[in-house]
Amino acid sequence: EVQLVESGGGLVKPGGSLRLSCAASGFTFSSYSMNWVRQAPGKGLEWVSSISSSSSYIYYADSVKGRFTISRDNAKNSLYLQMNSLRAEDTAVYYCARQDGSGSDYWGQGTLVTVSS
Amino acid sequence: DIQMTQSPSSLSASVGDRVTITCQASQDISNYLNWYQQKPGKAPKLLIYDASNLETGVPSRFSGSGSGTDFTFTISSLQPEDIATYYCQQYDNLRTFGQGTKLEIK
Repeated sequence: EVQLVESGGGLVKPGGSLRLSCAASGFTFSSYSMNWVRQAPGKGLEWVSSISSSSSYIYYADSVKGRFTISRDNAKNSLYLQMNSLRAEDTAVYYCARQDGSGSDYWGQGTLVTVSS
Repeated sequence: DIQMTQSPSSLSASVGDRVTITCQASQDISNYLNWYQQKPGKAPKLLIYDASNLETGVPSRFSGSGSGTDFTFTISSLQPEDIATYYCQQYDNLRTFGQGTKLEIK
């Protein structure tokens, strides 16, 4: 069974940093691109970042470019999102999602990041 | 950046109704479009990929069509369990979601 479990969310002050993790199981993690998608409270979905299976290709939304860094460790079946210089508008539930071809076919349950003083 | 405009933003329909949601891209995206369903408090679920292909296990009452800039998502006969918010997503250039369509039962 495919499982994606996010962790690392919490309350952080503006300007602070946080590192999210996504533990993958039930599939060959090293064969898939992965995404981070976020959802602010009561708002819609926003794609944040993507990373290819071997980390050769990495992309970011303009809203996080230069502040967030996506990475993965295929030996540990894990995906990461390092978030620096956090702002109030980064407050959201962050989902990791497996990318199967065109769509994201499996998603984690999400981890809440709250940026507030 | 490619912008995705969904309409309507909310929709109320009766069980058994045919429901249609549209999504317009700000530029030609060929068929590089997905549709997702999100129920309250849950992660999104992929329903349609490549504009018109039904994801495995998704009921056949869901369908998608379109190419270029104009796309349509249809539920042929609305069921109570279809109450959710639906999102389109382009993947021609990075990835962008539409703003969502909240579907309610009348």
